[in-house]
Amino acid sequence: GAVVSQHPSRVICKSGTSVKIECRSLDFQATTMFWYRQFPKQSLMLMATSNEGSKATYEQGVEKDKFLINHASLTLSTLTVTSAHPEDSSFYICSALRGISYEQYFGPGTRLTVT
Amino acid sequence: ILNVEQSPQSLHVQEGDSTNFTCSFPSSNFYALHWYRWETAKSPEALFVMTLNGDEKKKGRISATLNTKEGYSYLYIKGSQPEDSATYLCASNNNNDMRFGAGTRLTVKP
Repeated sequence: GAVVSQHPSRVICKSGTSVKIECRSLDFQATTMFWYRQFPKQSLMLMATSNEGSKATYEQGVEKDKFLINHASLTLSTLTVTSAHPEDSSFYICSALRGISYEQYFGPGTRLTVT
Repeated sequence: ILNVEQSPQSLHVQEGDSTNFTCSFPSSNFYALHWYRWETAKSPEALFVMTLNGDEKKKGRISATLNTKEGYSYLYIKGSQPEDSATYLCASNNNNDMRFGAGTRLTVKP
C-alpha cells in the first residue's frame, strides 16, 4: 500500500533556530500535499496546501513567512519553521494526494519541541 | 519506534450497510487514542478521544471501542450513508508522543 514518510519523527531545537520537516511519498507521485498542525486537546488544523512546482496556498491565520513550504518534486514537500519559538512546539503532520487515484495518505507526524 | 496501523486501507460499502475498521497501536505508555473524520483539503474533524481500557464512545451512528491491553480500537458505522464517505484517521498518544495511522478511506455507494 501507499506510504508517506516524515523526517524527523521528533526534533528539539532552540528558540530562534529554523527547523525543516520533510514529507515524502515513497511509492507514488503526489501532485498535492497538505500540512497540518495538531494543537493540544484540539483537532488537526490545515495549515497549507502544497502543489508541486507552484507556491503553497496558506490557510487564513498561517504566516507564510514563518512556515515555508517547498514542493520541489512529486515525491517531496518540506515545511520549514523559521525562527522557531516555544509556541511553535506542536505535532506537524503531512498528507499526500495520489495523483492518479486522488487517494489521500497521511504521514506519521513530526513532534517539534522548541526550548 | 511507534507504529500505528489502520485496516483496511480502503473500503467500499452500500448505503445502509454497517461497517467497521481497525486501528492498532502500541500498548506501552499509552495515554489516549484519537479518531478523526477527514475530507480532502479540510481540517480533520475530531470524533472521539478515548483513554481507558474498555472505553466505548458513540456519536450518532458512529461508535468506537478501545482495548489498551492488546492495542487496538474499532470504529463502527451503523447504516452507512453516502455522506459518511471520508477518510477515518486514528492517532495514538504514547508517553505524550503522538503518531498517526495512514487512514481508512470509506466510500458509501447510494
